[in-house]
This record gives sequence, C-alpha cells and structure tokens, in this order.
Amino acid sequence: EPEVTQTPSHQVTQMGQEVILRCVPISNHLYFYWYRQILGQKVEFLVSFYNNEISEKSEIFDDQFSVERPDGSNFTLKIRSTKLEDSAMYFCASSEGLRTGLFFGPGTRLTVL
Amino acid sequence: SQQGEEDPQALSIQEGENATMNCSYKTSINNLQWYRQNSGRGLVHLILIRSNEREKHSGRLRVTLDTSKKSSSLLITASRAADTASYFCALSSGGSNYKLTFGKGTLLTVNP
Repeated sequence: EPEVTQTPSHQVTQMGQEVILRCVPISNHLYFYWYRQILGQKVEFLVSFYNNEISEKSEIFDDQFSVERPDGSNFTLKIRSTKLEDSAMYFCASSEGLRTGLFFGPGTRLTVL
Repeated sequence: SQQGEEDPQALSIQEGENATMNCSYKTSINNLQWYRQNSGRGLVHLILIRSNEREKHSGRLRVTLDTSKKSSSLLITASRAADTASYFCALSSGGSNYKLTFGKGTLLTVNP
C-alpha cells in the first residue's frame, strides 16, 4: 500500500540553525501539507501546497518557514532559524483531492536545543 | 478558527465492548474526518463524512453526523486491544478548503 515517508525520523539542532525536513508524498496525490504537534498538544495546520504554490498557511507559518517541491517526488519544509518553541513532531501529509482524507507520514521529531 | 472538541478525553473498555467517542463543534463545516494516532506515530485517516451525510460505515467503524446539534460520533464495535490509540476529529470548515482543524482527541484504551 502506498505511504507517505519522512526523513529524518529525529532531528536535533541548535537554536538559530536551519533545518530541512523531507517528505515523499504518495505519487498520484496532488495536495501536500505540513502539520505539527507539540508534545501533549493538538495537531496544528502549518501550510498546504498545490500546483507548485502555497494554497493556504496558518499564523504559525511565518517568514522563518518555507516549503518547496524541488522535484517530482520530494516535498520539503525549511525552518531558517530554529527557536526552542519549534520543537515538535512535524507531519507531512498528502491527499488526492481537496475533500478527501489525508494520508500522514510517520513524522519527524524536531528537538531544538 | 473552530476546532472539534472530543468527549470523553479518555475511555477505558474491555476487549469486545463497543466504544463511542463524540465530537462537537461550533460553526458550519464542509466535512468532518476521524483519525487515529498510535502513541508517537503518524495519524491514520479513518472516515470522512460530508456535511450533507448523516451516517457512514467502514468495517467496525460507524460515524454519525448531526449538523443541527453540531456533533459527530465515532462508534467502534467489538473492540480489540489493537484499537488502543488516540482518536481525533478534524474539521474542514468555513472558507478554507485546505486546512483541517484537529481537536485534542480521545485516548481509548482497550484492555485484553
């Protein structure tokens, strides 16, 4: 069964450093997303991406964040200068259509020291 | 922005029993989705129910939606120990077609 994959599974970084989280969505899906979950809190929407551009973003997704689909398979989330409060599990997801269920990856646990 | 509120926060049952979880929300929705999350893992999509639908089934899962009461329920029948997980409702609502808003979830424990 096709699945969304994410790398790395765990990333530890120093405050102020740049990180890139990588995702390979399901190949025939058209919509791509990043969500995050701070430990013990609810899953929060960050950004959605369709047709090679951001379709919607949340207040969390400020200028420190960017997304890219550099080739036909990868979808990346970059955090330019990490803060302690960026520590969270970051989930990539993809979907076939707008009003269909999302397929989530296993997540990348980001720890900012 | 609105989010669903799941109820109860935690539920503990014996294997073979049915589990019912509820989700309430405040404004109109496009659709409501239920997801499962095993501890420390990704979310798994269970069922999507559209605002004009009242009930959907998938295997041992049954979801109902009452838009007049702004609530949904997820019923898991004949529960198994492997059903132990957190269950979340997620709303697609308002003018946003892309964003899902998740609730805090119900932690279901199924005891063998």
